[in-house]
Amino acid sequence: ILNVEQSPQSLHVQEGDSTNFTCSFPSSNFYALHWYRWETAKSPEALFVMTLNGDEKKKGRISATLNTKEGYSYLYIKGSQPEDSATYLCAPGFQKLVFGTGTRLLVSP
Amino acid sequence: SAVISQKPSRDICQRGTSLTIQCQVDSQVTMMFWYRQQPGQSLTLIATANQGSEATYESGFVIDKFPISRPNLTFSTLTVSNMSPEDSSIYLCSVGLAGGPGGEQFFGPGTRLTVL
Repeated sequence: ILNVEQSPQSLHVQEGDSTNFTCSFPSSNFYALHWYRWETAKSPEALFVMTLNGDEKKKGRISATLNTKEGYSYLYIKGSQPEDSATYLCAPGFQKLVFGTGTRLLVSP
Repeated sequence: SAVISQKPSRDICQRGTSLTIQCQVDSQVTMMFWYRQQPGQSLTLIATANQGSEATYESGFVIDKFPISRPNLTFSTLTVSNMSPEDSSIYLCSVGLAGGPGGEQFFGPGTRLTVL
Protein backbone atom coordinates (compact mmCIF):
# COMPACT_ATOMS: atom_id res chain seq x y z
CA ILE A 1 0.00 0.00 0.00
CA LEU A 2 1.44 3.35 -1.02
CA ASN A 3 2.02 5.91 1.71
CA VAL A 4 1.37 9.39 0.35
CA GLU A 5 1.93 12.35 2.63
CA GLN A 6 1.06 15.97 2.03
CA SER A 7 2.15 18.94 4.06
CA PRO A 8 1.06 21.18 5.49
CA GLN A 9 -2.43 19.87 6.29
CA SER A 10 -3.83 23.37 6.08
CA LEU A 11 -2.61 26.82 5.25
CA HIS A 12 -4.09 30.29 5.66
CA VAL A 13 -2.49 33.08 3.65
CA GLN A 14 -3.32 36.61 2.62
CA GLU A 15 -4.17 37.61 -0.90
CA GLY A 16 -0.99 38.21 -2.86
CA ASP A 17 1.13 35.81 -0.82
CA SER A 18 2.98 33.05 -2.61
CA THR A 19 2.83 29.59 -1.14
CA ASN A 20 3.93 26.03 -1.72
CA PHE A 21 2.92 22.53 -0.64
CA THR A 22 4.74 19.23 -0.54
CA CYS A 23 3.71 15.75 -1.65
CA SER A 24 5.88 12.80 -0.59
CA PHE A 25 5.48 9.34 -2.07
CA PRO A 26 7.47 6.10 -2.43
CA SER A 27 10.05 6.49 -5.19
CA SER A 28 10.00 2.82 -6.20
CA ASN A 29 7.77 1.68 -9.09
CA PHE A 30 6.93 5.26 -9.98
CA TYR A 31 4.74 5.86 -13.01
CA ALA A 32 3.07 9.25 -12.69
CA LEU A 33 2.14 11.93 -10.16
CA HIS A 34 -1.19 13.74 -10.33
CA TRP A 35 -2.18 17.05 -8.75
CA TYR A 36 -5.82 18.02 -8.28
CA ARG A 37 -7.63 21.04 -6.91
CA TRP A 38 -10.89 20.28 -5.10
CA GLU A 39 -13.28 23.06 -4.21
CA THR A 40 -16.22 22.35 -1.94
CA ALA A 41 -19.27 20.99 -3.78
CA LYS A 42 -17.36 20.75 -7.07
CA SER A 43 -15.53 18.02 -8.97
CA PRO A 44 -11.83 17.58 -8.28
CA GLU A 45 -10.08 19.45 -11.09
CA ALA A 46 -6.99 17.94 -12.67
CA LEU A 47 -4.06 20.39 -12.53
CA PHE A 48 -1.04 18.39 -13.64
CA VAL A 49 0.06 14.91 -14.58
CA MET A 50 3.82 14.56 -14.23
CA THR A 51 5.85 11.57 -15.32
CA LEU A 52 9.51 12.57 -15.74
CA ASN A 53 12.08 13.22 -13.04
CA GLY A 54 12.88 16.93 -13.01
CA ASP A 55 9.62 17.76 -14.75
CA GLU A 56 8.25 21.25 -14.21
CA LYS A 57 4.74 22.21 -15.25
CA LYS A 58 2.92 25.51 -15.13
CA LYS A 59 -0.70 26.57 -15.40
CA GLY A 60 -1.20 30.28 -14.90
CA ARG A 61 0.02 31.18 -11.40
CA ILE A 62 0.33 27.52 -10.38
CA SER A 63 3.39 25.41 -11.05
CA ALA A 64 4.71 22.05 -9.94
CA THR A 65 8.01 20.21 -9.85
CA LEU A 66 8.76 16.52 -9.59
CA ASN A 67 11.64 14.53 -8.10
CA THR A 68 11.02 10.83 -8.69
CA LYS A 69 14.38 9.70 -7.30
CA GLU A 70 13.68 11.06 -3.84
CA GLY A 71 9.90 10.77 -4.07
CA TYR A 72 8.51 14.28 -3.75
CA SER A 73 6.68 16.96 -5.67
CA TYR A 74 6.14 20.63 -4.88
CA LEU A 75 3.14 22.71 -5.88
CA TYR A 76 3.63 26.48 -5.98
CA ILE A 77 1.02 29.21 -6.16
CA LYS A 78 2.32 32.67 -6.98
CA GLY A 79 0.31 35.66 -5.77
CA SER A 80 -2.52 33.69 -4.14
CA GLN A 81 -6.07 34.87 -4.80
CA PRO A 82 -9.25 34.08 -2.81
CA GLU A 83 -10.42 31.88 -5.70
CA ASP A 84 -7.39 29.64 -5.08
CA SER A 85 -9.01 28.54 -1.81
CA ALA A 86 -9.47 24.79 -2.13
CA THR A 87 -7.99 21.47 -1.08
CA TYR A 88 -4.99 20.43 -3.18
CA LEU A 89 -4.54 16.71 -3.59
CA CYS A 90 -1.65 14.72 -4.97
CA ALA A 91 -1.80 11.10 -6.12
CA PRO A 92 0.90 8.87 -7.52
CA GLY A 93 -0.18 6.07 -9.77
CA PHE A 94 -1.53 5.07 -13.13
CA GLN A 95 -5.28 4.55 -13.36
CA LYS A 96 -5.51 3.36 -9.75
CA LEU A 97 -4.64 6.56 -7.91
CA VAL A 98 -3.59 6.67 -4.26
CA PHE A 99 -4.37 10.07 -2.80
CA GLY A 100 -2.81 11.96 0.04
CA THR A 101 -5.07 13.66 2.58
CA GLY A 102 -4.53 16.98 0.87
CA THR A 103 -3.53 20.51 1.80
CA ARG A 104 -6.45 22.81 2.57
CA LEU A 105 -5.64 26.34 1.42
CA LEU A 106 -7.58 29.40 2.53
CA VAL A 107 -6.74 32.73 0.95
CA SER A 108 -8.14 35.78 2.68
CA PRO A 109 -8.78 39.03 0.81
CA SER B 1 -11.63 15.83 -21.09
CA ALA B 2 -15.03 14.35 -20.18
CA VAL B 3 -18.20 15.71 -18.60
CA ILE B 4 -19.40 13.52 -15.76
CA SER B 5 -22.64 13.77 -13.83
CA GLN B 6 -23.73 11.97 -10.70
CA LYS B 7 -27.10 11.39 -9.11
CA PRO B 8 -28.07 12.07 -6.42
CA SER B 9 -25.82 14.97 -5.46
CA ARG B 10 -26.59 14.35 -1.79
CA ASP B 11 -28.80 12.19 0.36
CA ILE B 12 -29.60 11.46 3.97
CA CYS B 13 -30.42 7.82 4.62
CA GLN B 14 -31.39 5.62 7.53
CA ARG B 15 -29.11 2.85 8.68
CA GLY B 16 -29.88 -0.55 7.21
CA THR B 17 -31.11 0.86 3.91
CA SER B 18 -29.32 0.92 0.54
CA LEU B 19 -28.59 3.74 -1.88
CA THR B 20 -27.70 3.49 -5.55
CA ILE B 21 -25.54 6.23 -7.03
CA GLN B 22 -25.49 6.81 -10.78
CA CYS B 23 -22.59 8.07 -12.88
CA GLN B 24 -23.11 9.25 -16.47
CA VAL B 25 -20.34 10.26 -18.87
CA ASP B 26 -20.81 12.30 -22.05
CA SER B 27 -18.57 10.03 -24.11
CA GLN B 28 -17.59 6.38 -24.24
CA VAL B 29 -14.77 5.55 -21.86
CA THR B 30 -12.99 2.33 -21.06
CA MET B 31 -11.95 3.00 -17.50
CA MET B 32 -14.40 4.02 -14.80
CA PHE B 33 -13.61 4.11 -11.11
CA TRP B 34 -15.45 4.64 -7.83
CA TYR B 35 -13.84 6.45 -4.91
CA ARG B 36 -15.00 7.56 -1.50
CA GLN B 37 -13.79 10.12 0.98
CA GLN B 38 -14.76 9.58 4.58
CA PRO B 39 -14.63 12.64 6.84
CA GLY B 40 -11.01 13.63 7.51
CA GLN B 41 -9.66 10.85 5.31
CA SER B 42 -8.06 10.71 1.90
CA LEU B 43 -9.87 9.89 -1.31
CA THR B 44 -9.81 6.07 -1.51
CA LEU B 45 -10.41 3.83 -4.52
CA ILE B 46 -13.28 1.40 -3.99
CA ALA B 47 -13.26 -0.44 -7.30
CA THR B 48 -12.74 -0.34 -11.02
CA ALA B 49 -16.01 -0.70 -12.94
CA ASN B 50 -15.46 -3.03 -15.90
CA GLN B 51 -17.87 -3.02 -18.80
CA GLY B 52 -19.31 -6.47 -19.38
CA SER B 53 -17.66 -8.11 -16.41
CA GLU B 54 -17.55 -7.97 -12.64
CA ALA B 55 -15.95 -4.95 -11.00
CA THR B 56 -12.45 -5.22 -9.55
CA TYR B 57 -12.47 -4.32 -5.85
CA GLU B 58 -9.63 -2.89 -3.80
CA SER B 59 -8.53 -4.37 -0.52
CA GLY B 60 -11.10 -3.70 2.17
CA PHE B 61 -14.06 -3.40 -0.20
CA VAL B 62 -16.40 -6.25 -1.15
CA ILE B 63 -19.07 -6.77 -3.74
CA ASP B 64 -21.80 -7.58 -1.23
CA LYS B 65 -21.38 -4.17 0.39
CA PHE B 66 -20.67 -2.14 -2.77
CA PRO B 67 -22.23 -3.83 -5.79
CA ILE B 68 -21.33 -2.07 -9.04
CA SER B 69 -22.93 -2.26 -12.46
CA ARG B 70 -21.43 -1.13 -15.77
CA PRO B 71 -23.95 -1.90 -18.50
CA ASN B 72 -22.22 0.19 -21.18
CA LEU B 73 -19.28 2.52 -21.82
CA THR B 74 -21.03 5.69 -20.60
CA PHE B 75 -22.82 4.61 -17.41
CA SER B 76 -22.16 2.95 -14.07
CA THR B 77 -23.88 2.58 -10.71
CA LEU B 78 -22.54 2.03 -7.22
CA THR B 79 -24.84 0.73 -4.49
CA VAL B 80 -24.01 1.24 -0.84
CA SER B 81 -25.81 -1.65 0.87
CA ASN B 82 -27.06 -2.08 4.42
CA MET B 83 -25.73 1.33 5.34
CA SER B 84 -24.29 2.32 8.70
CA PRO B 85 -23.11 5.75 9.90
CA GLU B 86 -19.54 4.74 8.93
CA ASP B 87 -20.67 4.85 5.28
CA SER B 88 -21.23 8.59 5.53
CA SER B 89 -18.84 9.85 2.87
CA ILE B 90 -18.49 11.63 -0.41
CA TYR B 91 -18.66 9.08 -3.23
CA LEU B 92 -17.11 10.03 -6.58
CA CYS B 93 -16.88 8.34 -9.91
CA SER B 94 -14.03 9.06 -12.29
CA VAL B 95 -13.05 8.12 -15.80
CA GLY B 96 -9.68 7.54 -17.39
CA LEU B 97 -9.22 8.56 -20.99
CA ALA B 98 -7.18 6.35 -23.29
CA GLY B 99 -3.98 7.92 -24.53
CA GLY B 100 -3.60 10.43 -21.75
CA PRO B 101 -0.05 10.50 -20.38
CA GLY B 102 0.17 9.08 -16.91
CA GLY B 103 -3.43 7.91 -16.87
CA GLU B 104 -5.17 11.24 -16.30
CA GLN B 105 -8.58 10.92 -14.64
CA PHE B 106 -11.60 13.18 -14.58
CA PHE B 107 -14.03 13.21 -11.69
CA GLY B 108 -17.73 13.69 -11.23
CA PRO B 109 -19.07 16.21 -8.71
CA GLY B 110 -19.65 13.56 -6.05
CA THR B 111 -22.54 12.28 -3.97
CA ARG B 112 -22.58 13.45 -0.37
CA LEU B 113 -24.11 10.70 1.74
CA THR B 114 -25.11 11.01 5.38
CA VAL B 115 -26.30 7.90 7.20
CA LEU B 116 -28.25 8.40 10.41
